Amino acid sequence: DGGITQSPKYLFRKEGQNVTLSCEQNLNHDAMYWYRQDPGQGLRLIYYSQIVNDFQKGDIAEGYSVSREKKESFPLTVTSAQKNPTAFYLCASRALAIGDRDTQYFGPGTRLTVL
Amino acid sequence: DQQVKQNSPSLSVQEGRISILNCDYTNSMFDYFLWYKKYPAEGPTFLISISSIKDKNEDGRFTVFLNKSAKHLSLHIVPSQPGDSAVYFCAATRYGNKLVFGAGTILRVKS
Repeated sequence: DGGITQSPKYLFRKEGQNVTLSCEQNLNHDAMYWYRQDPGQGLRLIYYSQIVNDFQKGDIAEGYSVSREKKESFPLTVTSAQKNPTAFYLCASRALAIGDRDTQYFGPGTRLTVL
Repeated sequence: DQQVKQNSPSLSVQEGRISILNCDYTNSMFDYFLWYKKYPAEGPTFLISISSIKDKNEDGRFTVFLNKSAKHLSLHIVPSQPGDSAVYFCAATRYGNKLVFGAGTILRVKS
């Protein structure tokens, strides 16, 4: 069964701690993305990667870091520098092949709550 | 600067009737548009898309209309079903660039 998995589903963190959110895909997609969703807002792009060992900042990258050591994995670290980390985090992936335009497919999300 | 706007935060429709969700954009360089459906605490699910070379795309109960001159697109759901109750996001992009999302519209279908 092809898809995108995110773990854990719910995550609680104490203020001042770093935490890493997992995202894995077995769709053989080249590009992967991290978004956050806040109540009443659309999805905002944090980081994205179009190829292994390369990634770019999105619109709200401050306080976050990522790595892309393998094609299927794109973990996101929420650092203590992120001022308002409580949110719903979504990972997505996209094939870059011709004929599959810009459709991104999303994982189930991780709800991060800072206590 | 909100390049993609969904001006209706919510919409309520009777089961069996048509639901029309609207989306406006400001960037004339966008050439591909998508609609996603999202249930609470789940990831968005891709619904339907349209290229700027078309003005209509249909998939079952879902039809997306694009009016390039007005920079406006809409999603029609006919007939609406209670299971369609969700948040609907409009997104836009220029080839190879990032998706830009609207803030979403909550659709409630009453039975």
